[in-house]
Amino acid sequence: QKEVEQDPGPLSVPEGAIVSLNCTYSNSAFQYFMWYRQYSRKGPELLMYTYSSGNKEDGRFTAQVDKSSKYISLFIRDSQPSDSATYLCAMSVNGNQFYFGTGTSLTVIP
Amino acid sequence: DGGITQSPKYLFRKEGQNVTLSCEQNLNHDAMYWYRQDPGQGLRLIYYSQIVNDFQKGDIAEGYSVSREKKESFPLTVTSAQKNPTAFYLCASSSRGRGLVNQPQHFGDGTRLSIL
Repeated sequence: QKEVEQDPGPLSVPEGAIVSLNCTYSNSAFQYFMWYRQYSRKGPELLMYTYSSGNKEDGRFTAQVDKSSKYISLFIRDSQPSDSATYLCAMSVNGNQFYFGTGTSLTVIP
Repeated sequence: DGGITQSPKYLFRKEGQNVTLSCEQNLNHDAMYWYRQDPGQGLRLIYYSQIVNDFQKGDIAEGYSVSREKKESFPLTVTSAQKNPTAFYLCASSSRGRGLVNQPQHFGDGTRLSIL
């Protein structure tokens, strides 16, 4: 079983929709959780970073961590065509090694 | 502008040839990392370095080598022993936060390596 599981999609939504992206994990020791956005032929760009459980909001983006279910989510409100990218989740126990999901490809249709 | 610079953007390797991918950062980060990204497999860690003159193998180090002679530089050599080198290679760096925990990684824009 992989440390981190992420549905690869592809996911296609109309502009303005709310997008929900998810990852599950098997290691209950993970404490640090991240979401990255990766455009084609570019490196991943850090979107959200949370420690332990709870929610974090930044503009149109909300990250949720549910440690009891080993499940993290990224919500994108009022999605825009510029949000079209691959979204990677990542997590770490102690910041020494980071484990990445395979990424979910999102297309926002104008 | 602070960031991570990877070069070249595209690289071609002949059979039996070693090639070196460059990674330079001006973020004053202590830790640096090399990942390989293949379709459907996510990012896999090749090597990482927490401090100058020290580095550790990641999950897929075979066929690769690194050096860390300067804080800002972490070049990756893909040797002829790496039989399937075609991939997108990403370099990352991170700073140390409270409790010496590495902060989230910042990435360069990658090098795409192909076999001739």
